[in-house]
Amino acid sequence: SQKIEQNSEALNIQEGKTATLTCNYTNYSPAYLQWYRQDPGRGPVFLLLIRENEKEKRKERLKVTFDTTLKQSLFHITASQPADSATYLCALEEAFDYKLSFGAGTTVTVRA
Amino acid sequence: DAGVIQSPRHEVTEMGQEVTLRCKPISGHNSLFWYRQTMMRGLELLIYFNNNVPIDDSGMPEDRFSAKMPNASFSTLKIQPSEPRDSAVYFCASSAPKGGANTGELFFGEGSRLTVL
Repeated sequence: SQKIEQNSEALNIQEGKTATLTCNYTNYSPAYLQWYRQDPGRGPVFLLLIRENEKEKRKERLKVTFDTTLKQSLFHITASQPADSATYLCALEEAFDYKLSFGAGTTVTVRA
Repeated sequence: DAGVIQSPRHEVTEMGQEVTLRCKPISGHNSLFWYRQTMMRGLELLIYFNNNVPIDDSGMPEDRFSAKMPNASFSTLKIQPSEPRDSAVYFCASSAPKGGANTGELFFGEGSRLTVL
């Protein structure tokens, strides 16, 4: 069966450190992998998209890598700030399919 | 643009009652998605529309759930009759036509929190 697994534990880190989140998938052949941020009581907000033929994407303090051999994406928040505290969701879209399937999310708490 | 607009934001109802959730997608977006989020199951896709046509409703849990998109600016998700296990946050999302700079990222509404007693 298809599965998308993110860090099972919540992530607590000190301000200024780098947070690294993992997203592993099985029985998918994603054309795109996306990362979203969700704050309590709000809808998810799009952060970054990476294509299957891209290895790495950056946006400000965010970096995403995509390894289709390992079937894994890593999401990094560098120089983390308390405002980065949120739940981060990865989502996969297969080729020629408009559906986005989401992982359960990883909750990140950045301590000042 | 105001973003994706959902109503109501909160709904408390009793088992057996009909519930209607509403969504206005972003103007110009041609795909619309209904998701349900619970602690146990995370975000689950219920149904999605492309150009107002339902493309995949395989995620709709059972016949008690139905969704319509009568035009490009409005969609409803109806539950009749509602049950306590339907309690969740229901999100509507829309996306622009793919191509060029648009790669299909979803824009979510703020959700409708449903509690069925």
